[in-house]
Amino acid sequence: GAVVSQHPSRVICKSGTSVKIECRSLDFQATTMFWYRQFPKQSLMLMATSNEGSKATYEQGVEKDKFLINHASLTLSTLTVTSAHPEDSSFYICSAGRTGSDTQYFGPGTRLTVL
Amino acid sequence: AQSVTQPDIHITVSEGASLELRCNYSYGATPYLFWYVQSPGQGLQLLLKYFSGDTLVQGIKGFEAEFKRSQSSFNLRKPSVHWSDAAEYFCAVGRAGTASKLTFGTGTRLQVTL
Repeated sequence: GAVVSQHPSRVICKSGTSVKIECRSLDFQATTMFWYRQFPKQSLMLMATSNEGSKATYEQGVEKDKFLINHASLTLSTLTVTSAHPEDSSFYICSAGRTGSDTQYFGPGTRLTVL
Repeated sequence: AQSVTQPDIHITVSEGASLELRCNYSYGATPYLFWYVQSPGQGLQLLLKYFSGDTLVQGIKGFEAEFKRSQSSFNLRKPSVHWSDAAEYFCAVGRAGTASKLTFGTGTRLQVTL
């Protein structure tokens, strides 16, 4: 149990377009989901924490108007990269915290390439 | 502020040899410590975690870690490495309780030679 999926696994888009990434908890309810960003050969940097039914909490330095996060249900959170630019190219990973548990379960990640 | 230091960026060991990956943390409260493994292009898989109790924690794939409060360390060990263990290993610290945001170390890339 505790499987988290992400879709798409890989996306290539043109500069200026918007891209939506989905994160789903497949077999459990996730009251909290986290979005991380990972540059090549670097660690994961937390971008934001989203709680179902409320606004996301963004980390310092993360533009909330550029990285729109929606956590509309207990099994789905979405990250939309608006007006993407090449510097937004990265590996985006979500994680989900199961209600009553103190462990995060990570999705397989989404590779975003902006041309 | 919380932080995690993994002093070794890259480690190479021979298959069958023992392994120790170092992790030091800084945290203002009781830490919740994790080790994750990441294969290329993949998400993270939890190896083991520690909050309280026995300071030697057993995880999956034959890994273990020892919490040493006096040294603020949580080193990961494996007695005999397999070629399939080659991956990136991340140590992380979080707040105990419900799933909270994690602070990750910079990772250690493990290469296994045959």
